[in-house]
Amino acid sequence: DARVTQTPRHKVTEMGQEVTMRCQPILGHNTVFWYRQTMMQGLELLAYFRNRAPLDDSGMPKDRFSAEMPDATLATLKIQPSEPRDSAVYFCASGQDSYGYTFGSGTRLTVV
Amino acid sequence: RKEVEQDPGPFNVPEGATVAFNCTYSNSASQSFFWYRQDCRKEPKLLMSVYSSGNEDGRFTAQLNRASQYISLLIRDSKLSDSATYLCVVRENTPLVFGKGTRLSVIA
Repeated sequence: DARVTQTPRHKVTEMGQEVTMRCQPILGHNTVFWYRQTMMQGLELLAYFRNRAPLDDSGMPKDRFSAEMPDATLATLKIQPSEPRDSAVYFCASGQDSYGYTFGSGTRLTVV
Repeated sequence: RKEVEQDPGPFNVPEGATVAFNCTYSNSASQSFFWYRQDCRKEPKLLMSVYSSGNEDGRFTAQLNRASQYISLLIRDSKLSDSATYLCVVRENTPLVFGKGTRLSVIA
């Protein structure tokens, strides 16, 4: 089965440090999403790309978060500087046009 | 107002029971509808799409009422393996908008 691959699976870092999360979407999928999941807020959309072009990043705190897609096989989400309130599970998902999307296993981030 | 609202549960039901989850959405222009399942500490996975005519997949039946902006999921003959969180999902243009989920525990 085709999979969305995310790395790292777990990350513990100190407040103020830079965190980079990576995602390899399913080959051929033209849309890539970054979601964040917390107990309080559930799944929140942070940003998404279609054909590598950023379409919406209004869900991200712009001062510290950035999302890029340097090529069709790699999407990145960066937090600099990280804060304890960023602790969450970050999911990448990819899809093709109008059907449901496939999620990666997530990066569980803890900022202490 | 939250865009997609679900009863968080938990629903605790015995094996073999029938259980129904409901969901309402606020954007009448929403285009597509899904149910996702999420196991503890795992990623969400697509369970089924939801069509206006209603659709069935084995023990699972999904219904959509566009006029009332209401989606339902019915699980018949519950199994222990059905224990999970069920997420109601709505597409508004491209991104999926998720409800917070309804937790189901099926008890032996």
